Amino acid sequence: DQQVKQNSPSLSVQEGRISILNCDYTNSMFDYFLWYKKYPAEGPTFLISISSIKDKNEDGRFTVFLNKSAKHLSLHIVPSQPGDSAVYFCAAIPSSGSARQLTFGSGTQLTVLP
Amino acid sequence: DGGITQSPKYLFRKEGQNVTLSCEQNLNHDAMYWYRQDPGQGLRLIYYSQIVNDFQKGDIAEGYSVSREKKESFPLTVTSAQKNPTAFYLCASSISQTNEQYFGPGTRLTVT
Repeated sequence: DQQVKQNSPSLSVQEGRISILNCDYTNSMFDYFLWYKKYPAEGPTFLISISSIKDKNEDGRFTVFLNKSAKHLSLHIVPSQPGDSAVYFCAAIPSSGSARQLTFGSGTQLTVLP
Repeated sequence: DGGITQSPKYLFRKEGQNVTLSCEQNLNHDAMYWYRQDPGQGLRLIYYSQIVNDFQKGDIAEGYSVSREKKESFPLTVTSAQKNPTAFYLCASSISQTNEQYFGPGTRLTVT
């Protein structure tokens, strides 16, 4: 049972346009959400996060939106650049538990076309 | 400079052999984690450790073992009991009371 779902395995966007990556979750105990970017044969790098007390967090070209009622979050990248081409994972952490265990989605491959 | 190192980057083993993957961090993080990634899947948690000399099973611990004798080191042993050991293995660490985990570059293990 996937608690964090990224239903689009791939996305292609033209350079300069907006990239929107989506993520849905089912566990209402999740209260902190993160986006990671991963290049092939490398470890993921942390991009941006959002707490459930917010509905938007912005960092440069990256903005994450959280819709708690829909259990949905999205990552907006604008403008998209060819170097943004990578796999993007969303991840979530529950509000209680003995450890900060991340639950990851299956990832979305973003390709930014020049 | 601070970071997480994993070695080697590529590792090949024969079926039936145990193999140990190295993970070292100099970030002074208390918590460390091991994940595996398979094609088309997200990262799945194998083991985690919040403090030295303590570790807990993750979602897919069967066939793996770990130790945490030092804060900086969290080696993972893939035993012969692991049925599908070929995968990309990622180590991560975090300051225990914060949420962001920082990942190492990964080790690709191939067992034939």
